[in-house]
Amino acid sequence: QKEVEQDPGPLSVPEGAIVSLNCTYSNSAFQYFMWYRQYSRKGPELLMYTYSSGNKEDGRFTAQVDKSSKYISLFIRDSQPSDSATYLCAMKKGYGQNFVFGPGTRLSVLP
Amino acid sequence: EAGVAQSPRYKIIEKRQSVAFWCNPISGHATLYWYQQILGQGPKLLIQFQNNGVVDDSQLPKDRFSAERLKGVDSTLKIQPAKLEDSAVYLCASSARGASGGSNTGELFFGEGSRLTVL
Repeated sequence: QKEVEQDPGPLSVPEGAIVSLNCTYSNSAFQYFMWYRQYSRKGPELLMYTYSSGNKEDGRFTAQVDKSSKYISLFIRDSQPSDSATYLCAMKKGYGQNFVFGPGTRLSVLP
Repeated sequence: EAGVAQSPRYKIIEKRQSVAFWCNPISGHATLYWYQQILGQGPKLLIQFQNNGVVDDSQLPKDRFSAERLKGVDSTLKIQPAKLEDSAVYLCASSARGASGGSNTGELFFGEGSRLTVL
């Protein structure tokens, strides 16, 4: 079993839809969770960061962490064609630890 | 603020040849990382530098990969000899996190990557 898993997609949705992207993980020691967005032929850029369990909202984006289920989600409201990218989840155990990345989910938002 | 700079953007070589990638991190960032991203996979850490010292190189294939950060600023990643399975994007990232922790998030700032094709 891989340490961090994501559905690779591709996921295609119409413009304006609500998108749900998910990651599952096996190591209960993970405490810091991030979502990165990666456009084609570009480096990843940080979207959302959460510590431990709970929700965090930033504009059209909401990140949720359920540590009891070892499951994290990223919701995108009112999705736009500009949201078309690969979304990578990343997580780490502690303050000075390195992040482990999921394989990414490719999202296409169709106009 | 200038981002992480990498070069070259694209490189095509034959197997058993050598290649080198260069990275210049964001000014003032003490920590520099090299990641390998194979098509369809997430980035995998190859090596982490704190200033000019190696913090983690546990996943670096040391028989063929080497990296240095001589003056604690820019860095070079070398592959010699290259294998077909080294075809990937090599991402450089930097972080403001210092040896004692620094940034709470340890946010990574990535360059655009160097895409390597080994034929």
